[in-house]
Amino acid sequence: DTEVTQTPKHLVMGMTNKKSLKCEQHMGHRAMYWYKQKAKKPPELMFVYSYEKLSINESVPSRFSPECPNSSLLNLHLHALQPEDSALYLCASSHPLNEQFFGPGTRLTVL
Amino acid sequence: EDQVTQSPEALRLQEGESSSLNCSYTVSGLRGLFWYRQDPGKGPEFLFTLYSAGEEKEKERLKATLTKKESFLHITAPKPEDSATYLCAVPNLNQAGTALIFGKGTTLSVSS
Repeated sequence: DTEVTQTPKHLVMGMTNKKSLKCEQHMGHRAMYWYKQKAKKPPELMFVYSYEKLSINESVPSRFSPECPNSSLLNLHLHALQPEDSALYLCASSHPLNEQFFGPGTRLTVL
Repeated sequence: EDQVTQSPEALRLQEGESSSLNCSYTVSGLRGLFWYRQDPGKGPEFLFTLYSAGEEKEKERLKATLTKKESFLHITAPKPEDSATYLCAVPNLNQAGTALIFGKGTTLSVSS
């Protein structure tokens, strides 16, 4: 099974809302990632968790807050977002240094 | 600085018209090169991993090859359903190899 699941598929939120994106994998991968992707651009790395510890934070604004409750789950908590944060948010997982498997993404629109 | 460059940016083919996509890389040490396919509004779908020069991998109408400086994704007799954006990526060894450096992608359109 090479599936990474993400919920919700679509999310519309106002600038004062708090919401969370969820990601789950059952491939035994110990590295999990959040990416942001704008139209016609490649995915842009936001965070990396390795063995449930945050190992990379690519200078992401604090209105994005990641959480890794266990080795299968990854959350991204959103608060006070800006319209320019509207994008496709992708979760991925992998064994370190191996190919990453991506979820279907959450299409986020900030009004 | 490690870098991945894909060409062309866009490619239009007729059904059955074979062609190749290019991914050139400059990295301090290659620990794999990955090809992905991405449909609009969806997550990238993993296609191939190549580790060493001379290696080839095939899947249906796609064949990926690797040299010391570049990789090619050959598409033989493409069909309209092969239309997508194709991304290549390499691990960023400056970040313990956990992050990927992506090229900007080649958007392939196949018409019937």
